[in-house]
Amino acid sequence: EAEVAQSPRYKITEKSQAVAFWCDPISGHATLYWYRQILGQGPELLVQFQDESVVDDSQLPKDRFSAERLKGVDSTLKIQPAELGDSAMYLCASSQDPRAGGETQYFGPGTRLLVL
Amino acid sequence: AQTVTQSQPEMSVQEAETVTLSCTYDTSESDYYLFWYKQPPSRQMILVIRQEAYKQQNATENRFSVNFQKAAKSFSLKISDSQLGDAAMYFCAYRGSGGSNYKLTFGKGTLLTVNP
Repeated sequence: EAEVAQSPRYKITEKSQAVAFWCDPISGHATLYWYRQILGQGPELLVQFQDESVVDDSQLPKDRFSAERLKGVDSTLKIQPAELGDSAMYLCASSQDPRAGGETQYFGPGTRLLVL
Repeated sequence: AQTVTQSQPEMSVQEAETVTLSCTYDTSESDYYLFWYKQPPSRQMILVIRQEAYKQQNATENRFSVNFQKAAKSFSLKISDSQLGDAAMYFCAYRGSGGSNYKLTFGKGTLLTVNP
């Protein structure tokens, strides 16, 4: 069964350093989502891509976070510089085009980030 | 903005018994989707069940069923014949059906413990 892949699974970094997370969605899924999940809470959307275009990044802290999906397939989320408050689980999800019936989002295993 | 409320931070159930997890939501939309996701410890989030708001019939998936009350904006999950493998954090999520933003809005989750 096809799955969403993410790497690394765990990342420890010091504040002010740069970190990057990678996601490879299920093959054929046009829509890709990055969520942040703080311990004890539900995930919150950071950015949504439709193919290579950003359709929602309203909750992305753009002074330090950036995301790209250059060829409309895999995606990278970057934080520079990392702050203590960025410690969280970063989840990637993908779906078929929701405008064409892709209601269900499938999640990857996540990257757990710890900023010291 | 849509909100999702899970009023039970923790629940426990005996193996083979039935448990119901509660979820309420707030929206002004008439067409939307509701989901229950399961997140086992240190494992990825997986879809348990999905309900389309325009369908009056409650969704069922094997031992999992929902009680969808659209007027009351309530969406509870019933787990029958509970198994040890059902132990996990359960998240209720909402997704609208219009516009270009198809993000999931999650509740804070309910931690389910299954006692042998």
